[in-house]
Amino acid sequence: DQQVKQNSPSLSVQEGRISILNCDYTNSMFDYFLWYKKYPAEGPTFLISISSIKDKNEDGRFTVFLNKSAKHLSLHIVPSQPGDSAVYFCAASGGFYTGTASKLTFGTGTRLQVTL
Amino acid sequence: EPEVTQTPSHQVTQMGQEVILRCVPISNHLYFYWYRQILGQKVEFLVSFYNNEISEKSEIFDDQFSVERPDGSNFTLKIRSTKLEDSAMYFCASRAQGYYGYTFGSGTRLTVV
Repeated sequence: DQQVKQNSPSLSVQEGRISILNCDYTNSMFDYFLWYKKYPAEGPTFLISISSIKDKNEDGRFTVFLNKSAKHLSLHIVPSQPGDSAVYFCAASGGFYTGTASKLTFGTGTRLQVTL
Repeated sequence: EPEVTQTPSHQVTQMGQEVILRCVPISNHLYFYWYRQILGQKVEFLVSFYNNEISEKSEIFDDQFSVERPDGSNFTLKIRSTKLEDSAMYFCASRAQGYYGYTFGSGTRLTVV
């Protein structure tokens, strides 16, 4: 049951360049999407989110784009920094607009390595 | 910044034993969750808890699992009779009403031998 998919298990980017992490989903009931960053032996840390009525949300170096018709979202990090090296998880939730949003469905993660 | 606190950080138990994983969510949060991540796999939902009862549970959350919020601050996950396949990182999370940036704890690594 892969309702949320991250097809790239790893990505290597040079410091200062843009990192683009991709995520696809299949469940049209999802209406809220989140990106989490995870270091080994730590819990996921919330980065940025977007609701289904928007197509872009920006927070500092992080921008999330949502293409509802393609059921695709992406996280852009620019400029990339060595401290961004971690595993990034895309997650989705339904029921945001009915106030019943509960569980998150996670993708399998993309390991980002930012090199000097 | 408020944190979700989980204890212990690592628990080793023998197959068939009961374990209790503990969590202290952020104090003004109303929704509580347990997730787990088996090594090399994705983070999976186990159960959500709101208003002192289970809101939703996954098929993983069978009769061997239970959750409690015994004293208004702690939130516990109990596994009655552990199996080898229960070995995983278990994450507690909480969120505030109307806000969907769930806050996760650092996790408890459960090893069943």
